[in-house]
Amino acid sequence: AQSVTQLGSHVSVSEGALVLLRCNYSSSVPPYLFWYVQYPNQGLQLLLKYTSAATLVKGINGFEAEFKKSETSFHLTKPSAHMSDAAEYFCAVSFRYSGNTPLVFGKGTRLSVIA
Amino acid sequence: NAGVTQTPKFQVLKTGQSMTLQCAQDMNHEYMSWYRQDPGMGLRLIHYSVGAGITDQGEVPNGYNVSRSTTEDFPLRLLSAAPSQTSVYFCASRTGGVEAFFGQGTRLTVV
Repeated sequence: AQSVTQLGSHVSVSEGALVLLRCNYSSSVPPYLFWYVQYPNQGLQLLLKYTSAATLVKGINGFEAEFKKSETSFHLTKPSAHMSDAAEYFCAVSFRYSGNTPLVFGKGTRLSVIA
Repeated sequence: NAGVTQTPKFQVLKTGQSMTLQCAQDMNHEYMSWYRQDPGMGLRLIHYSVGAGITDQGEVPNGYNVSRSTTEDFPLRLLSAAPSQTSVYFCASRTGGVEAFFGQGTRLTVV
């Protein structure tokens, strides 16, 4: 069965510092992997996705993530945090070869950015 | 292009009342799903559908019904509301095994 683990329910960084949000997955077949962001009182917005052989994926707002099969990880990074990055971030996984199947989400990581 | 539209945005129910949360998408996606979001629990799948006339249960289906009579619509029915169903509900659609598109959510309070 697929599962996603996000390490750290809350991460706090200073403005300008590196952002690192961790995601590890468990899947018996090659997965699709996603990061979503949720701003307060809003829906989920796709940040980036891994669906191909390119292991380093760039997304919106300066975020990127690297797929590491050997570590079953898909950590999200941003070199320099901005106040507007404060939000909740969700990692999600689905089977690559099963067409339309549910996304399985991690429990989320709330990012706080300190001025 | 509206994407995924959920109504209502907010709702307060009394215990035992029933209601339907509406979800519509205009992207001709085969796959639709309902999630609930609770603090510290992430998004949990309630029900999903892989096409008109086909539905299946997710992780937390008890107390909810769904139907899919058209590609566009996927309503979620609460049969007899309970305080444990106080949550934020999200509808999503997707196709081709790639990303899901989400509605803006319905914040439901059961008193």
